[in-house]
Amino acid sequence: SQQGEEDPQALSIQEGENATMNCSYKTSINNLQWYRQNSGRGLVHLILIRSNEREKHSGRLRVTLDTSKKSSSLLITASRAADTASYFCAHYSGAGSYQLTFGKGTKLSVIP
Amino acid sequence: EPEVTQTPSHQVTQMGQEVILRCVPISNHLYFYWYRQILGQKVEFLVSFYNNEISEKSEIFDDQFSVERPDGSNFTLKIRSTKLEDSAMYFCASRDRVGSEKLFFGSGTQLSVL
Repeated sequence: SQQGEEDPQALSIQEGENATMNCSYKTSINNLQWYRQNSGRGLVHLILIRSNEREKHSGRLRVTLDTSKKSSSLLITASRAADTASYFCAHYSGAGSYQLTFGKGTKLSVIP
Repeated sequence: EPEVTQTPSHQVTQMGQEVILRCVPISNHLYFYWYRQILGQKVEFLVSFYNNEISEKSEIFDDQFSVERPDGSNFTLKIRSTKLEDSAMYFCASRDRVGSEKLFFGSGTQLSVL
């Protein structure tokens, strides 16, 4: 798969359910970030996980990172209609570079 | 919470015209970026700017593009002669300091080239 690919591309769930999105990448990373984009809006930083971390929590968000598989997952628990957005993983391109490489994103729809 | 402000929110222009997209980064931030997102595609890095000069730029950022920080608050992206394929949402972003990895993005300028 291409660098920074998320799957699924689209996900539709009922309010209250959990949503899991996955991301794969190709290069070595120092950290991986997740961003949210509401329709027609800018990107909002959600959470950052470092390469020496395996799991991180922030409120209803849980991120995991498996550097051996070059993959990460974002879990949103007890989803709400307001969580409807596109979610992107992103990482910096290389040592000393602050060029963020984004995946194509997962479009999450939470149905009330 | 402080935010990155972009103007205009929408810009329509004719092919071959020059456009300037404007951004006001968060006031104490030091690093500034432009990204773009063509409809249905990934968010792509264009350029980073620090200490009044370009730090990095992508292949997309060719001679038709330029950036400027004309004063202490504004950060602009100029496209000299727009092409149809420049139509995209352009995002400005800023970062506060060395070692901070979180980017703050503006809401974007939707550029339509006709």
